[in-house]
Amino acid sequence: EDQVTQSPEALRLQEGESSSLNCSYTVSGLRGLFWYRQDPGKGPEFLFTLYSAGEEKEKERLKATLTKKESFLHITAPKPEDSATYLCAVQASKSDYKLSFGAGTTVTVRA
Amino acid sequence: NAGVTQTPKFQVLKTGQSMTLQCAQDMNHNSMYWYRQDPGMGLRLIYYSASEGTTDKGEVPNGYNVSRLNKREFSLRLESAAPSQTSVYFCAGASSYNSPLHFGNGTRLTVT
Repeated sequence: EDQVTQSPEALRLQEGESSSLNCSYTVSGLRGLFWYRQDPGKGPEFLFTLYSAGEEKEKERLKATLTKKESFLHITAPKPEDSATYLCAVQASKSDYKLSFGAGTTVTVRA
Repeated sequence: NAGVTQTPKFQVLKTGQSMTLQCAQDMNHNSMYWYRQDPGMGLRLIYYSASEGTTDKGEVPNGYNVSRLNKREFSLRLESAAPSQTSVYFCAGASSYNSPLHFGNGTRLTVT
């Protein structure tokens, strides 16, 4: 069974204080790993897809990386508007339409 | 461009009542999905529709039924609501099976 574990559950940062979120996964044959951002009362919003170990993607202050067992979402010099819950999900090669989601990391950035 | 629209946004039901959650998308998505989100747990797939005219069970289908009415609309029905179905329900769409999901803003359902 595919499993996704995100840590920490919650992260409180000062504005400008860089940090990383972890997504550990177990899947038989990774087709893709997805990162989403979710604001309170809203649906998740797509950020990145990573397909193979060593791949990296960036968007503004966010950078996602992938190894064979985990993915990191690095937040560089965060701003209060980066406050959100960040979700990680994996899709196995054998699961055409099914994603397994982690429980998320809630990030709060204080000014 | 509305994206993925869910109605209603909030609903309170008594145990045993039935209701249908509506979802419509204008993004020309081929596949559509229903997820539930509970505190401390990841999103869990209830049902999905790979294409118009097809539906399949996800991880937690018991107590639910779905209808892919046409390419745009995918509804979720609770025939006899139970307190365990208190949750936030999200509809999503995607262009294909390995494309990113586009989510609606959810329906917050409470069953008393």
